[in-house]
Amino acid sequence: DTEVTQTPKHLVMGMTNKKSLKCEQHMGHRAMYWYKQKAKKPPELMFVYSYEKLSINESVPSRFSPECPNSSLLNLHLHALQPEDSALYLCASSQVSTVRYGYTFGSGTRLTVV
Amino acid sequence: QKEVEQNSGPLSVPEGAIASLNCTYSDRGSQSFFWYRQYSGKSPELIMSIYSNGDKEDGRFTAQLNKASQYVSLLIRDSQPSDSATYLCAVRFGNEKLTFGTGTRLTIIP
Repeated sequence: DTEVTQTPKHLVMGMTNKKSLKCEQHMGHRAMYWYKQKAKKPPELMFVYSYEKLSINESVPSRFSPECPNSSLLNLHLHALQPEDSALYLCASSQVSTVRYGYTFGSGTRLTVV
Repeated sequence: QKEVEQNSGPLSVPEGAIASLNCTYSDRGSQSFFWYRQYSGKSPELIMSIYSNGDKEDGRFTAQLNKASQYVSLLIRDSQPSDSATYLCAVRFGNEKLTFGTGTRLTIIP
């Protein structure tokens, strides 16, 4: 199993809503990542979890709240988002202990904030 | 600040020709180099990785690395319309995060 699975694939939410994005991998990777990607831009790192602990927060607004319940799951909780938060949200995973592997990305969640 | 630079394109190549994509990076300590392909509206897909100076071939793809010049490239032979996508160069220093370039948009003209 070499996949990273993200749900939902599409999400439309109002600015007062609370929603969650989910990510699951069964490759034994102990590093997991959330990225945000706007159109025609490269992926922009938001959070890194290493061994289920938050290791990097790239100064992301608190309306985005990550959670890593176990080594296979990663969630991103969304609350009071703004229209400019509309983007493709990508989850990725990788080996921790070696530099010789890139990240495996999920198919993404297309988020629209109305 | 570790930087990865790519020509944003668009790069147009006739079908059957060789497409050449280039990437430079600022950190001499960078150790791992990756090329991702991203179709419009889809997620990035890892297509090549390279760690040592020289060439690495996989099918129609060849990655080339020159650490002295801080330069990595991707050659696509016998380009097909299905190769039309944005190609992201990514660089990793140690166990640090991947740093992505801005991507090169490639169009293969039938």
